[in-house]
Amino acid sequence: DGGITQSPKYLFRKEGQNVTLSCEQNLNHDAMYWYRQDPGQGLRLIYYSQIVNDFQKGDIAEGYSVSREKKESFPLTVTSAQKNPTAFYLCASSIMASGRITDTQYFGPGTRLTVL
Amino acid sequence: QKEVEQNSGPLSVPEGAIASLNCTYSDRGSQSFFWYRQYSGKSPELIMFIYSNGDKEDGRFTAQLNKASQYVSLLIRDSQPSDSATYLCAVNRLAAGNKLTFGGGTRVLVKP
Repeated sequence: DGGITQSPKYLFRKEGQNVTLSCEQNLNHDAMYWYRQDPGQGLRLIYYSQIVNDFQKGDIAEGYSVSREKKESFPLTVTSAQKNPTAFYLCASSIMASGRITDTQYFGPGTRLTVL
Repeated sequence: QKEVEQNSGPLSVPEGAIASLNCTYSDRGSQSFFWYRQYSGKSPELIMFIYSNGDKEDGRFTAQLNKASQYVSLLIRDSQPSDSATYLCAVNRLAAGNKLTFGGGTRVLVKP
């Protein structure tokens, strides 16, 4: 099956801990994205990557870090510097990094992170 | 002013009626517009996109774009209880690195 997988589905973190959220895609998409969604809110972009070994900050990158060592994988680390990390985290991918205005982003199932 | 604005709702619609959702955006350089549906606790799923002025139909869904008024809408015909969800409008501008900017979403409730 082709698609985007995220793990774990639910994650609980103690204050002061770093945690890493996994995102894998087998769609051969070039671009990958991380969003955060708070209750009753839209999606806000954390980081995105258009090519392996390169990534850019989104609108709310503080307290987060990413890597893109493989085309298929784009893990997100929520560090202890992120003061309010409880949220629903969504990973997305799109087929082309640039140049096509109809490039569509498809979403994984999400990870719900709760800070205890 | 938010970059992409939607009425949060809820928009209550009788079964079989037309649901009309609106979205306004501030960046005149925006080039393409996406509608996603999100069920409670789930991830967004694409309904359709539009990039030319006018109407675009896909099954029971019609997207309408008016770039001069910076306005995009989604019509859901013959609304079903399964259409009850939050609908997210997203706007893309290539010059911004192909990033999507999302509105806050409109919650739709279809009552049998």
